[in-house]
Amino acid sequence: SAVISQKPSRDICQRGTSLTIQCQVDSQVTMMFWYRQQPGQSLTLIATANQGSEATYESGFVIDKFPISRPNLTFSTLTVSNMSPEDSSIYLCSVTQFGITYEQYFGPGTRLTVT
Amino acid sequence: AQSVAQPEDQVNVAEGNPLTVKCTYSVSGNPYLFWYVQYPNRGLQFLLKYITGDNLVKGSYGFEAEFNKSQTSFHLKKPSALVSDSALYFCAVRDVITSGSARQLTFGSGTQLTVLP
Repeated sequence: SAVISQKPSRDICQRGTSLTIQCQVDSQVTMMFWYRQQPGQSLTLIATANQGSEATYESGFVIDKFPISRPNLTFSTLTVSNMSPEDSSIYLCSVTQFGITYEQYFGPGTRLTVT
Repeated sequence: AQSVAQPEDQVNVAEGNPLTVKCTYSVSGNPYLFWYVQYPNRGLQFLLKYITGDNLVKGSYGFEAEFNKSQTSFHLKKPSALVSDSALYFCAVRDVITSGSARQLTFGSGTQLTVLP
């Protein structure tokens, strides 16, 4: 399975600021996704990161708030913009690999606290 | 639309006893089913999956799950629980409508498993 790393692992930020989270995979992957896990909740898909084009956002999430980049097959970033305390969550990067049908792997997550 | 339900927020079991974590699903096509585990301050770890074939699938750490199409269930089981199994468990489903066409992964609400020594 792919090995996924995320930076930072955690951060405490002030409201109104922005944070960029990086996701690096040790091998080329088909698809990359970003999820949010709010405290005590399940996972919610934010968007699919598309290589070389704009990300595909799920209902309730917009590019201005969560801009995403994916410059190549192994790297993606998620920015949480103009943060408020409601953005305090764990943000997880997830990937599917070539040749492994529909199996999805997750990074360790970035724990974000907004004060 | 696809959905998955985990009816129990919390499951407690004594060490050495068998454990079951329940999951039911709803899809319009064929279900691809998954179990993940999340330890405190960690990401999700893949445990096992059902795609096709034998209804009983075996996964990591001695876990297994049984696919039951008539009951639309995919319960996670382990014959003898360990204290180290204590974690948050998520069931997930992907609705495969046609070959090469599938919806995104949908997660259940999670079940906190506590194994008591």
